[in-house]
Amino acid sequence: DIQLTQSPSSLSASIGDRVTMSCRSSQSSSTFLNWYQQKPGTAPHLLVFAAVSLESGVPSRFSGSGSGTDFNLTISSLQPEDFATYYCQQSYSPPYTFGRGTRLEI
Amino acid sequence: QLQLRESGPGLVQPSETLSLTCTVSGDSLITPSYYWAWIRQTPGEGLQWIGHIFYTGSATYNPSLRSRVTMSVDTSKNQFSLRLTSVAAADTAVYYCARDSRKVSITFDPWGQGTLVTVSS
Repeated sequence: DIQLTQSPSSLSASIGDRVTMSCRSSQSSSTFLNWYQQKPGTAPHLLVFAAVSLESGVPSRFSGSGSGTDFNLTISSLQPEDFATYYCQQSYSPPYTFGRGTRLEI
Repeated sequence: QLQLRESGPGLVQPSETLSLTCTVSGDSLITPSYYWAWIRQTPGEGLQWIGHIFYTGSATYNPSLRSRVTMSVDTSKNQFSLRLTSVAAADTAVYYCARDSRKVSITFDPWGQGTLVTVSS
Protein backbone atom coordinates (compact mmCIF):
# COMPACT_ATOMS: atom_id res chain seq x y z
CA ASP A 1 0.00 0.00 0.00
CA ILE A 2 1.11 3.58 -0.62
CA GLN A 3 1.62 5.39 2.68
CA LEU A 4 0.94 9.12 2.86
CA THR A 5 2.68 11.17 5.53
CA GLN A 6 1.29 14.60 6.28
CA SER A 7 3.18 17.34 8.06
CA PRO A 8 2.83 19.08 10.30
CA SER A 9 0.18 17.13 12.20
CA SER A 10 -1.11 20.42 13.56
CA LEU A 11 -0.54 24.01 12.63
CA SER A 12 -1.42 27.23 14.44
CA ALA A 13 -2.10 30.30 12.32
CA SER A 14 -4.01 33.56 12.23
CA ILE A 15 -6.57 35.13 9.95
CA GLY A 16 -4.85 36.45 6.85
CA ASP A 17 -1.81 34.16 7.15
CA ARG A 18 -0.44 32.16 4.25
CA VAL A 19 -0.03 28.51 5.22
CA THR A 20 1.39 25.50 3.47
CA MET A 21 1.01 21.89 4.49
CA SER A 22 2.78 18.87 3.10
CA CYS A 23 1.90 15.36 1.99
CA ARG A 24 4.67 12.89 1.20
CA SER A 25 4.00 9.61 -0.57
CA SER A 26 5.98 6.42 0.17
CA GLN A 27 6.26 5.86 -3.59
CA SER A 28 5.44 7.94 -6.61
CA SER A 29 1.78 8.84 -6.90
CA SER A 30 2.40 10.79 -10.12
CA THR A 31 -0.24 13.53 -9.88
CA PHE A 32 -2.97 11.23 -8.57
CA LEU A 33 -3.21 13.11 -5.30
CA ASN A 34 -6.27 14.85 -3.87
CA TRP A 35 -6.93 17.11 -0.89
CA TYR A 36 -9.99 17.23 1.37
CA GLN A 37 -11.16 19.54 4.14
CA GLN A 38 -13.04 18.18 7.15
CA LYS A 39 -14.76 20.19 9.86
CA PRO A 40 -15.81 18.61 13.17
CA GLY A 41 -18.91 16.45 12.90
CA THR A 42 -19.04 16.59 9.10
CA ALA A 43 -17.78 14.51 6.21
CA PRO A 44 -14.65 15.41 4.25
CA HIS A 45 -15.12 17.75 1.32
CA LEU A 46 -13.04 17.68 -1.86
CA LEU A 47 -10.85 20.77 -2.42
CA VAL A 48 -8.17 19.83 -4.95
CA PHE A 49 -7.88 16.89 -7.32
CA ALA A 50 -5.05 15.64 -9.52
CA ALA A 51 -2.58 17.54 -7.34
CA VAL A 52 -3.25 21.00 -8.79
CA SER A 53 -6.86 21.26 -10.00
CA LEU A 54 -9.30 23.21 -7.86
CA GLU A 55 -12.70 21.61 -7.41
CA SER A 56 -15.60 23.71 -8.65
CA GLY A 57 -16.81 26.15 -6.02
CA VAL A 58 -13.65 26.05 -3.93
CA PRO A 59 -12.21 29.51 -3.23
CA SER A 60 -9.14 30.49 -5.24
CA ARG A 61 -7.10 31.06 -2.06
CA PHE A 62 -6.63 27.28 -2.02
CA SER A 63 -3.99 25.82 -4.30
CA GLY A 64 -2.24 22.49 -4.72
CA SER A 65 1.19 21.70 -6.06
CA GLY A 66 3.61 18.84 -6.47
CA SER A 67 4.06 15.55 -8.24
CA GLY A 68 5.72 12.23 -7.65
CA THR A 69 6.21 11.90 -3.91
CA ASP A 70 5.94 15.48 -2.59
CA PHE A 71 2.78 17.54 -2.57
CA ASN A 72 1.63 20.74 -0.91
CA LEU A 73 -1.65 22.43 -0.15
CA THR A 74 -1.43 26.21 0.29
CA ILE A 75 -4.01 28.62 1.60
CA SER A 76 -2.97 32.11 0.55
CA SER A 77 -4.93 34.16 3.10
CA LEU A 78 -6.63 32.27 5.91
CA GLN A 79 -10.29 32.93 6.53
CA PRO A 80 -12.23 31.96 9.68
CA GLU A 81 -13.99 29.13 7.85
CA ASP A 82 -10.67 27.52 6.87
CA PHE A 83 -9.88 26.25 10.36
CA ALA A 84 -10.36 22.51 9.90
CA THR A 85 -8.44 19.31 9.30
CA TYR A 86 -6.98 18.66 5.85
CA TYR A 87 -6.34 15.22 4.37
CA CYS A 88 -4.49 14.07 1.30
CA GLN A 89 -5.54 10.95 -0.61
CA GLN A 90 -3.78 9.03 -3.38
CA SER A 91 -5.55 7.31 -6.25
CA TYR A 92 -2.44 6.09 -8.06
CA SER A 93 -3.04 2.51 -7.01
CA PRO A 94 -5.59 0.66 -4.89
CA PRO A 95 -6.10 0.44 -2.03
CA TYR A 96 -6.65 4.19 -2.16
CA THR A 97 -5.12 5.62 0.98
CA PHE A 98 -5.35 8.79 3.01
CA GLY A 99 -2.88 10.72 5.10
CA ARG A 100 -3.46 11.17 8.84
CA GLY A 101 -4.32 14.82 8.40
CA THR A 102 -3.08 18.30 9.29
CA ARG A 103 -5.21 20.10 11.85
CA LEU A 104 -5.25 23.85 11.24
CA GLU A 105 -5.94 25.80 14.42
CA ILE A 106 -6.15 29.42 15.40
CA GLN B 1 -28.10 17.97 -6.33
CA LEU B 2 -26.65 14.58 -5.52
CA GLN B 3 -27.07 13.44 -1.94
CA LEU B 4 -26.07 10.24 -0.17
CA ARG B 5 -27.36 8.98 3.14
CA GLU B 6 -26.14 6.04 5.18
CA SER B 7 -28.51 3.94 7.28
CA GLY B 8 -28.19 0.90 9.50
CA PRO B 9 -27.73 -0.22 13.08
CA GLY B 10 -25.55 1.91 15.29
CA LEU B 11 -24.59 -1.00 17.53
CA VAL B 12 -23.32 -4.39 16.44
CA GLN B 13 -22.31 -7.31 18.62
CA PRO B 14 -18.75 -8.64 18.35
CA SER B 15 -18.41 -11.48 15.82
CA GLU B 16 -21.69 -10.44 14.16
CA THR B 17 -22.23 -8.83 10.75
CA LEU B 18 -22.34 -5.09 10.14
CA SER B 19 -24.83 -4.10 7.43
CA LEU B 20 -25.22 -0.58 6.06
CA THR B 21 -27.14 0.88 3.15
CA CYS B 22 -26.46 4.06 1.23
CA THR B 23 -29.43 5.72 -0.46
CA VAL B 24 -28.58 7.96 -3.40
CA SER B 25 -30.88 10.82 -4.38
CA GLY B 26 -30.61 13.44 -7.05
CA ASP B 27 -28.99 11.14 -9.61
CA SER B 28 -29.10 7.55 -10.74
CA LEU B 29 -26.68 4.85 -9.65
CA ILE B 30 -26.87 3.56 -13.21
CA THR B 31 -24.12 5.61 -14.78
CA PRO B 32 -20.87 4.53 -16.42
CA SER B 33 -19.18 7.63 -15.07
CA TYR B 34 -18.97 6.74 -11.41
CA TYR B 35 -18.31 4.05 -8.89
CA TRP B 36 -19.81 4.08 -5.40
CA ALA B 37 -17.56 3.79 -2.39
CA TRP B 38 -17.50 3.00 1.30
CA ILE B 39 -14.95 4.71 3.55
CA ARG B 40 -14.61 4.56 7.29
CA GLN B 41 -12.94 6.81 9.84
CA THR B 42 -11.58 6.01 13.27
CA PRO B 43 -9.59 8.19 15.67
CA GLY B 44 -6.82 5.61 15.68
CA GLU B 45 -6.52 4.62 12.03
CA GLY B 46 -7.90 7.69 10.32
CA LEU B 47 -9.66 7.38 6.97
CA GLN B 48 -9.71 3.96 5.33
CA TRP B 49 -11.09 3.12 1.89
CA ILE B 50 -13.15 -0.06 2.24
CA GLY B 51 -13.96 -0.56 -1.42
CA HIS B 52 -16.15 0.50 -4.31
CA ILE B 53 -18.80 -0.96 -6.54
CA PHE B 54 -20.06 -0.28 -10.06
CA TYR B 55 -23.76 -0.29 -10.88
CA THR B 56 -23.30 -3.66 -12.59
CA GLY B 57 -22.28 -5.15 -9.26
CA SER B 58 -18.59 -5.37 -10.02
CA ALA B 59 -16.69 -4.51 -6.82
CA THR B 60 -13.14 -3.96 -5.64
CA TYR B 61 -12.21 -4.25 -1.98
CA ASN B 62 -9.35 -3.17 0.22
CA PRO B 63 -7.15 -6.29 0.58
CA SER B 64 -6.96 -5.73 4.34
CA LEU B 65 -10.74 -6.27 4.58
CA ARG B 66 -11.42 -8.39 1.51
CA SER B 67 -12.10 -11.63 3.37
CA ARG B 68 -14.88 -9.98 5.38
CA VAL B 69 -16.45 -7.45 3.00
CA THR B 70 -19.26 -7.73 0.49
CA MET B 71 -20.82 -4.84 -1.41
CA SER B 72 -23.98 -4.95 -3.46
CA VAL B 73 -26.24 -2.63 -5.44
CA ASP B 74 -30.02 -2.39 -5.75
CA THR B 75 -30.63 -0.22 -8.80
CA SER B 76 -34.41 -0.39 -8.35
CA LYS B 77 -34.05 1.42 -5.03
CA ASN B 78 -31.00 3.50 -6.05
CA GLN B 79 -29.10 2.03 -3.13
CA PHE B 80 -25.83 0.28 -2.52
CA SER B 81 -24.86 -1.70 0.55
CA LEU B 82 -21.98 -2.86 2.70
CA ARG B 83 -21.67 -6.06 4.70
CA LEU B 84 -18.74 -6.64 7.03
CA THR B 85 -18.62 -9.98 8.80
CA SER B 86 -17.00 -11.10 12.05
CA VAL B 87 -16.72 -7.57 13.41
CA ALA B 88 -14.55 -6.65 16.37
CA ALA B 89 -13.96 -3.53 18.41
CA ALA B 90 -11.45 -2.33 15.81
CA ASP B 91 -14.33 -2.02 13.33
CA THR B 92 -15.95 0.67 15.46
CA ALA B 93 -15.92 3.72 13.18
CA VAL B 94 -17.89 6.35 11.37
CA TYR B 95 -18.86 4.78 8.06
CA TYR B 96 -19.31 6.99 5.02
CA CYS B 97 -20.62 6.29 1.56
CA ALA B 98 -19.40 8.47 -1.28
CA ARG B 99 -19.45 8.82 -5.03
CA ASP B 100 -16.20 7.70 -6.60
CA SER B 101 -15.51 10.05 -9.51
CA ARG B 102 -12.88 9.55 -12.17
CA LYS B 103 -11.94 13.11 -13.02
CA VAL B 104 -8.32 12.39 -13.99
CA SER B 105 -7.71 11.35 -10.38
CA ILE B 106 -10.14 9.11 -8.49
CA THR B 107 -11.88 11.36 -5.99
CA PHE B 108 -14.60 10.89 -3.41
CA ASP B 109 -17.27 13.56 -3.63
CA PRO B 110 -19.85 14.05 -2.35
CA TRP B 111 -19.94 12.04 0.86
CA GLY B 112 -22.87 11.04 3.00
CA GLN B 113 -23.15 12.51 6.47
CA GLY B 114 -21.66 9.36 7.98
CA THR B 115 -23.03 6.91 10.51
CA LEU B 116 -21.33 5.81 13.69
CA VAL B 117 -21.22 2.07 14.16
CA THR B 118 -20.07 0.78 17.54
CA VAL B 119 -19.03 -2.82 18.02
CA SER B 120 -19.77 -3.81 21.57
CA SER B 121 -21.62 -6.38 23.61
